[in-house]
Amino acid sequence: DAMVIQNPRYQVTQFGKPVTLSCSQTLNHNVMYWYQQKSSQAPKLLFHYYDKDFNNEADTPDNFQSRRPNTSFCFLDIRSPGLGDAAMYLCATSRMGQGPNQPQHFGDGTRLSIL
Amino acid sequence: QKEVEQNSGPLSVPEGAIASLNCTYSDRGSQSFFWYRQYSGKSPELIMFIYSNGDKEDGRFTAQLNKASQYVSLLIRDSQPSDSATYLCAVNIRGSNYKLTFGKGTLLTVNP
Repeated sequence: DAMVIQNPRYQVTQFGKPVTLSCSQTLNHNVMYWYQQKSSQAPKLLFHYYDKDFNNEADTPDNFQSRRPNTSFCFLDIRSPGLGDAAMYLCATSRMGQGPNQPQHFGDGTRLSIL
Repeated sequence: QKEVEQNSGPLSVPEGAIASLNCTYSDRGSQSFFWYRQYSGKSPELIMFIYSNGDKEDGRFTAQLNKASQYVSLLIRDSQPSDSATYLCAVNIRGSNYKLTFGKGTLLTVNP
């Protein structure tokens, strides 16, 4: 089945130690998104790629970076994680075309803990 | 004013009843509306999407959209304990046909 796969499911890192989360998709969607979701809060969009074009949200901290080496893969890099970065990180994909928004499809998420 | 508002709940219904979940949005120009189900500790799962005024039915789920009143609702018929989850409403951001704004979600509990 076509899907969005995130690895790892759980990640524990130390305060200030860089961490990379990965996402891959077999849906061949041209848009990939990274969201941060904290408990009882709405998913917060960090950035997205439309094909190779990177689009950062205005309030996304510089500590968060992303790479999309090809259509199928996208990475979230947190350069110096702080305690406030502990959250669920969600990768999603969608197909952008003419007409209204197409649904976004989410991976299972990566739960990040900071020691 | 928040862009997408949902009652946080919890909304508690007995098994077999109809659960009604509501969402209001602030941008009159919004065109696309989505409902996601999110179990505790899991990622959002698409339930339904709707673009036009009126009702859209899929199995036990019905999405209702009223653009004039700027609300969208999700009805779940014959609610089951397995429907217990947080339901997120998402609306497209003006000027973008691929970015969404999510509400905080409504926690639904279906009691056996």
